[in-house]
Amino acid sequence: QVHLVESGGAVVQPGRSLRLSCAASGFKFRSYGMHWVRQAPDKGLEWVAHIWYDGSNIYYADSVKGRFTISRDNLKNTLYLQMDSLRAEDTAIYYCARDLRAYFGSGIDWFDPWGQGTRVIVSS
Amino acid sequence: EIVLTQSPATLSLSPGERATLSCRASQSVSSYLAWYQQKPGQAPRLLIYDASNRATGIPARFSGSGSGTDFALTISSLEPEDFAVYYCQQRSSWPALTFGGGTKVEIK
Repeated sequence: QVHLVESGGAVVQPGRSLRLSCAASGFKFRSYGMHWVRQAPDKGLEWVAHIWYDGSNIYYADSVKGRFTISRDNLKNTLYLQMDSLRAEDTAIYYCARDLRAYFGSGIDWFDPWGQGTRVIVSS
Repeated sequence: EIVLTQSPATLSLSPGERATLSCRASQSVSSYLAWYQQKPGQAPRLLIYDASNRATGIPARFSGSGSGTDFALTISSLEPEDFAVYYCQQRSSWPALTFGGGTKVEIK
């Protein structure tokens, strides 16, 4: 059974950094692209970043470009999101999600499944 | 950026009734549209992808239709577990992926 478990969420001050992790199990991690998607309190969903299955292509939302870095360790079956220069508007639940299809090479695939999320609060 | 507008914002229905949710794109997304369901305190779940394909394990009462700019998610007969928030999402303009604002299906 596919399992995605996020960790690393915390309360941090504006301008500080935080690294989120997503531990994957139950599937061949190195075969799937991965995403981070966030949801601000009582708001809708916002796609944040995507990394191809082999790490060769990476994409970011404009709202985080230059501040966030997505990466993966295919030996540890873990996805990461390094978040620098955090702002109040980055406050959200951060979900990791897998590509629907393995070895998807036509851009960015749909999100399925999702982890349960980790909460990030940026506040002084 | 492609804007997805969902309507209505809230849909009040009774179990057993038919639900039709709408998602309109600001420009054509071809068939590159998906629907997700989110229950309170839970992560979203993929229901429909490529406009009309049901994801694995999704009951047949969920169906998707449309192409270009106008899409619909239909729940043929609402079950108690279907009361949730539904989001549409497009990947036509990747990497600028966008979601709609959501439709809440509530019990009347």
